[in-house]
Amino acid sequence: EAEVAQSPRYKITEKSQAVAFWCDPISGHATLYWYRQILGQGPELLVQFQDESVVDDSQLPKDRFSAERLKGVDSTLKIQPAELGDSAMYLCASSGRTGGSVYEQYFGPGTRLTVT
Amino acid sequence: QKEVEQDPGPLSVPEGAIVSLNCTYSNSAFQYFMWYRQYSRKGPELLMYTYSSGNKEDGRFTAQVDKSSKYISLFIRDSQPSDSATYLCASYSSASKIIFGSGTRLSIRP
Repeated sequence: EAEVAQSPRYKITEKSQAVAFWCDPISGHATLYWYRQILGQGPELLVQFQDESVVDDSQLPKDRFSAERLKGVDSTLKIQPAELGDSAMYLCASSGRTGGSVYEQYFGPGTRLTVT
Repeated sequence: QKEVEQDPGPLSVPEGAIVSLNCTYSNSAFQYFMWYRQYSRKGPELLMYTYSSGNKEDGRFTAQVDKSSKYISLFIRDSQPSDSATYLCASYSSASKIIFGSGTRLSIRP
């Protein structure tokens, strides 16, 4: 069964350092999402891509966060510099044209970030 | 006020019991309603989604939406220990992104 891949699964970094997360969506899925999930809360959308274009990045803290999906396939989310408040689970999800409804988002296992 | 509100629990019930999980939402434009299940240290997985009001059944799970009261429910029949997880409700309209509730942590006691 096709899955969304994310790496690393866990990341510990010191504040002011740079971190990067990688996501490989389900093959053929045109839409890719990055979410942040703070412990005890639901996921909150950071950025949404349609192919290689950003559709929504209204909640992305652009002074320190950046995201790209250069070839419309895999994606990278970067934080520089990391702050203590960035400690959270970063989830990638994809949805699209290959099977299922476009509204069905398939989530990866997430990257648990701890900033010390 | 959050657009989607959910009681965080935790909720603990004995195996075999019927579980009722509930959410309320404030945006009357929301048309699509989903329930996700999230096991510890995993990403959410879609359980069910419904459009507009009504019921939808899938095996032991029934999703119910009452748009007049802006109330979303998920019922689990014959609950199993493997159902122990956090359940997230979510809603959106064609013009909005998906808004998730904060999740209800459910534990099924053997």
